[in-house]
Formats: sequence, C-alpha cells, structure tokens
Amino acid sequence: EAQVTQNPRYLITVTGKKLTVTCSQNMNHEYMSWYRQDPGLGLRQIYYSMNVEVTDKGDVPEGYKVSRKEKRNFPLILESPSPNQTSLYFCASYPMKGGGLVYNEQFFGPGTRLTVL
Amino acid sequence: EDKVVQSPLSLVVHEGDTVTLNCSYEVTNFRSLLWYKQEKKAPTFLFMLTSSGIEKKSGRLSSILDKKELFSILNITATQTGDSAIYLCAVDSNYQLIWGAGTKLIIKP
Repeated sequence: EAQVTQNPRYLITVTGKKLTVTCSQNMNHEYMSWYRQDPGLGLRQIYYSMNVEVTDKGDVPEGYKVSRKEKRNFPLILESPSPNQTSLYFCASYPMKGGGLVYNEQFFGPGTRLTVL
Repeated sequence: EDKVVQSPLSLVVHEGDTVTLNCSYEVTNFRSLLWYKQEKKAPTFLFMLTSSGIEKKSGRLSSILDKKELFSILNITATQTGDSAIYLCAVDSNYQLIWGAGTKLIIKP
C-alpha cells in the first residue's frame, strides 16, 4: 500500500530534550516536505527536499534540522525543543514529472502531535 | 516576502447555499496555485491552477485563477454538510510551498 508513515504519532516532551520525528515513503517520490500546522495559521513549510542530499529551507526553518540520506526517509530533528514548537506536524511526499510537482499524486503522513513543556 | 491571504477566515452558511472562497497571493516565482480540503486529518488535494481564466471543475466545486490580479476563487454550489471543512490555498513559488491560513467553512443543515 502506498503511504507516508510518521513516528511517533503523539509525543509529549520537555524543553531542551532532543527529538527526531521520522518520515518514510514507499512510492519513490523525489520531493518530500515537512509542515507544521497551528490554529489559525494554516500550514507552514519547515524544510523540503527535492532529492537525496538536497534540502532547502521553507518558511519556518528555525529550530529544526532535516536530512535526506536516502530517498525514502526524511527525518525532522529538533535539537533543543522549545514550547513554541508545540504543534501538529505533517510530512508529505510528491512525485516530480517534467520539472514540476505532481500534486494530485501527493501523499501526506497522518501527522505527529508534539507538545513541548 | 512571499505571502498567501485567504478570506474570509470563517464562514457559516445553510445547506444548499453557494459559497465563494478567496485566495490572493504575492510570490516571487509563481509556478502554480493549489486548493485543498482539510477535515480532521491531513489536507486532501482539490485543484491545481497554472493558467489564468481556465476554470477547473469537479462536481459542485470549481476554481479559477487570475494571474494578472493575483487571486483565485473556489466556488462550491448546492453546499452539503459534508462540505464542512477548512479550505486551504497554497502557492508553489519555485518549489517552496506558501500556504494561506485557510477558510473554515461550516454548513448548517
């Protein structure tokens, strides 16, 4: 089954304790992205990657790191989480064709609800 | 700074009404504009628009883009309670996705 998986789905942690949210896709998609969603703010892109070893900052990259060592995986790392990073996080993957993203074939993960105390 | 602004932020209508949701944008390198519907989980894709004046349709939903005036509208006719959701607009600005805050639509029976 084609899917994007995220783990953990829920996490409560404390300020300063490093954490990683994993994201994995099984569709061989080139483009992967992390978003955070906060009430009244829609989605905001944190980082995106157009291929292995290629990552770029989105709107709100501060306090986050990513890596893309393999095509299928795109982990989100919070080195020193703070309460303002409490949010709902989505990972998504998109195929690319002809130099563009194929949005109607995209997949979103189920979301990770993170609370930082 | 790239930005996408949606209006209204929320809307309550009765079943059977027609609604129009707005999305305006200012971005550096426009590639496409996207509409999504979000219920309780992740957003689901509705439309992608790249050219002005070409209307996209899917059943009771339709959307049009005006690249000169930098906006798009999403129309929903004969609304049903199942249309209640947050509708999100996003713009692909050279592969970076800029999102609006969304319009929360509530359809009353």
